[in-house]
Amino acid sequence: EVQLVESGGGSVQPGGSLRLSCAASGFTFDDYAMHWVRQAPGKGLEWVASISWSSGGIGYADSVAGRFTISRDNAKNSLYLQMNSLRPDDMALYYCAKDMAVSQWGAFDIWGQGTMVTVSS
Amino acid sequence: IQLTQSPSFLSASVGDRVTITCRASQGIDNYLAWYQQKPGKAPKLLISAASNLQSGVPSRFSGSGFGTEFTLAISSLQPEDFATYYCHQLNSYPYTFGQGTKLGIK
Repeated sequence: EVQLVESGGGSVQPGGSLRLSCAASGFTFDDYAMHWVRQAPGKGLEWVASISWSSGGIGYADSVAGRFTISRDNAKNSLYLQMNSLRPDDMALYYCAKDMAVSQWGAFDIWGQGTMVTVSS
Repeated sequence: IQLTQSPSFLSASVGDRVTITCRASQGIDNYLAWYQQKPGKAPKLLISAASNLQSGVPSRFSGSGFGTEFTLAISSLQPEDFATYYCHQLNSYPYTFGQGTKLGIK
């Protein structure tokens, strides 16, 4: 079964840092680009960052560029999101998502259950 | 690239045919996907490349469009279809989602 399991969320003060992880199973992890998408409480979906299958291609939303870093460890079938200088408007449920296309960029066909990040003093 | 969905809210009855429109602020060829999200759940991919129905998605769902205007249609609403729907452009960074269309029961 294809599965993505996020972890690492929690409560942090403004200016703090968190590292999210996403453990992948049931597919050949290093064949697919991976993505982070967030959803603030009661709001819509917001794309955060994407990384290619080989880590050679990376993209960020303007709202997180320079503060967040996406990375992956193909040997560990894991995706990460290092979040620094967190702000109250970063508070959201963070989803890890798998790309649908092998060694290409496509839509997001598998999603995890999400991990909640709360930023509050 | 901004995506504008219309309507933002839609009330309909079981058996109705409904359409949701997604307009892009610039051309995105067919790099558009549609997702369905139910409360407390992760989004589910329905359609990729504007019109490709994902495996396991009922055939009452269909997508069309190219360039700047796209449509998601549901031919005969079923009770399980009441949810929020999002379009998503993958033409270029930064990827963007539409604001969502909440489909409720009339």
